[in-house]
Parts: sequence; structure tokens; C-alpha cells
Amino acid sequence: EAGVVQSPRYKIIEKKQPVAFWCNPISGHNTLYWYRQNLGQGPELLIRYENEEAVDDSQLPKDRFSAERLKGVDSTLKIQPAELGDSAVYLCASSLEGRQGHYGYTFGSGTRLTVV
Amino acid sequence: QKEVEQNSGPLSVPEGAIASLNCTYSDRGSQSFFWYRQYSGKSPELIMSIYSNGDKEDGRFTAQLNKASQYVSLLIRDSQPSDSATYLCAVNRVYGNKLVFGAGTILRVKS
Repeated sequence: EAGVVQSPRYKIIEKKQPVAFWCNPISGHNTLYWYRQNLGQGPELLIRYENEEAVDDSQLPKDRFSAERLKGVDSTLKIQPAELGDSAVYLCASSLEGRQGHYGYTFGSGTRLTVV
Repeated sequence: QKEVEQNSGPLSVPEGAIASLNCTYSDRGSQSFFWYRQYSGKSPELIMSIYSNGDKEDGRFTAQLNKASQYVSLLIRDSQPSDSATYLCAVNRVYGNKLVFGAGTILRVKS
């Protein structure tokens, strides 16, 4: 079974430029999460999807961040414009709906973003 | 106060010893608890989950939960250099149904 697939693996951009990250969850997992992990910190939730619906985006900086999950499968997270403070690892995770409390999440390999 | 707190370490133990990692949480309604291992430059990997008070053993790993004290721990027996990593404690909040992570404890196993 393929795991959670993310791309790109690394991204270096200049500040004020746009950037997008892509995630394909484990087949059959209807819940998808985007987390951000700063150096030396634990992951922090940005947005959670149940199928196509964003059910928790309270931590998403909506002035510059946007996300979508068309057809309830893969998802894209976008930043426009990027700021220096956005440099971090962006992690996508998925789980079976209603069962995340039992089995935890499976994370993708992450995208390491560097804004210069 | 952070929702999930861990000692950042580093915790250094000799090879073959028992490593003890601790975590406290603030949401009394939390029901599910997880330990993730994260190697440098890699993504977190789930290694243990626990839902009831007491101990849960899986190979060299034992998770311990005490809901009254809001305390979770992870014991690693016969520690190996390959266990050197950051260990993240995660708690499933009842409200919002999401995992909240601690900042992690760095473990170093010296051969």
C-alpha cells in the first residue's frame, strides 16, 4: 500500500513569491491534515478535511494561505505571498474518518520550504 | 501553559539502558495518546498508541498512561543507537478531534 505522497520534497523561493504543495493521502482515508513544523517544535495543525469539507481551519493564516481538496482525494496547500517566517516543513497526514483517535495519523515525507 | 509538554532534552542514555520519556497534557477530556519517533530530516512515524490507564507493551517499547495525573510516558528497553531520534507525544483533543503535539524530546543513545 502506498503511503501519503507529498511533493515537492524541497522548495526554495524568494519572499513575496507564491508556492504550492501537493498531497495524495492513503487510498480510502477520507480525513486529510496539513501540519506545519518549525525547527525544534512539534507539528501544528493548519487545516483538517473530512472528504471535501474543511472542518477545522482555525489555525490557517487565511490572508496568505489557502487549501483545497477537490473530489475528496488529493489536496493542495498554497501560500501567496510567502514571508520569511513561513520557512518550515509542511506535513500532510491522513487517517480513516472517525478512527484517527484509535490509530493515529500517517504522515507524508513533508515539504521543506525555505523562503529567502 | 502548553497543551502538551515534554522535556526537550537531550536525554542521553548508554546503549542497553532503559530510556524514559515523559509527557503531560492539559485537556482532561483527552482519550487517545500517541508516541511518534522522528529522525532528523524525516517525518514523524507512529510507534505507540494508548487509550486506557496502565501499561501497553510492544516489543522494546512500553507506553504508560495515568489520566488522573494527565501523564503519559514511553519506556524504551535495551536502548540502541538506532533509537536516537526526537520522540513526539501527541494527544487527541476531544474538542476539534485533532492531534496536538508536544515539542518533542531528543534522545541520544551512546554506544
